[in-house]
Amino acid sequence: DAGVIQSPRHEVTEMGQEVTLRCKPISGHDYLFWYRQTMMRGLELLIYFNNNVPIDDSGMPEDRFSAKMPNASFSTLKIQPSEPRDSAVYFCASGLSGGGETQYFGPGTRLLVL
Amino acid sequence: AQSVSQHNHHVILSEAASLELGCNYSYGGTVNLFWYVQYPGQHLQLLLKYFSGDPLVKGIKGFEAEFIKSKFSFNLRKPSVQWSDTAEYFCAAANYGGSQGNLIFGKGTKLSVKP
Repeated sequence: DAGVIQSPRHEVTEMGQEVTLRCKPISGHDYLFWYRQTMMRGLELLIYFNNNVPIDDSGMPEDRFSAKMPNASFSTLKIQPSEPRDSAVYFCASGLSGGGETQYFGPGTRLLVL
Repeated sequence: AQSVSQHNHHVILSEAASLELGCNYSYGGTVNLFWYVQYPGQHLQLLLKYFSGDPLVKGIKGFEAEFIKSKFSFNLRKPSVQWSDTAEYFCAAANYGGSQGNLIFGKGTKLSVKP
């Protein structure tokens, strides 16, 4: 299995622009998570899905952030409009029911908002 | 509230030194415990996990962790570190049988190994 796939791996954009991050979970996994990692705040859970349904989005920082999972093999995290403080590494992870909460992480997207 | 604490922010060791990274959790009930490692510029990878059974868990690359229920601890150990162990280490915990979404990470401990 290829593992969790994320794209792009790096993104540089200007303040105010829309940013879309993409994730393909491991095939067969029914949980998908979006995390943000910064030096200041560490690893933060933004939102997670179970069977394509958002379960908990309490970690989403504000309305500028939105996430979708239109099918079992694809999810997006969108920031509109982006701000410099959104600069971080965004990780997607997937997991399986009955897997004992083990999560498998993707390589991350390093976002820089100028 | 449920929480995971890693008391060491940055640990610096010389090669061949022994390592112990502390992790304490605050959870009611039975917990599943994890250590993840993040090498520089890479994503988090599972190092080892404890669900039940033998409280001494062996993981990849010579790492092990011991679950001590009475101390609410799950410390990570390695008898002799190598330069390639330089990374950030995250402890995580979740209620046993809970949903996947209740995995909580500690803030991480950065390990620097001097050659």
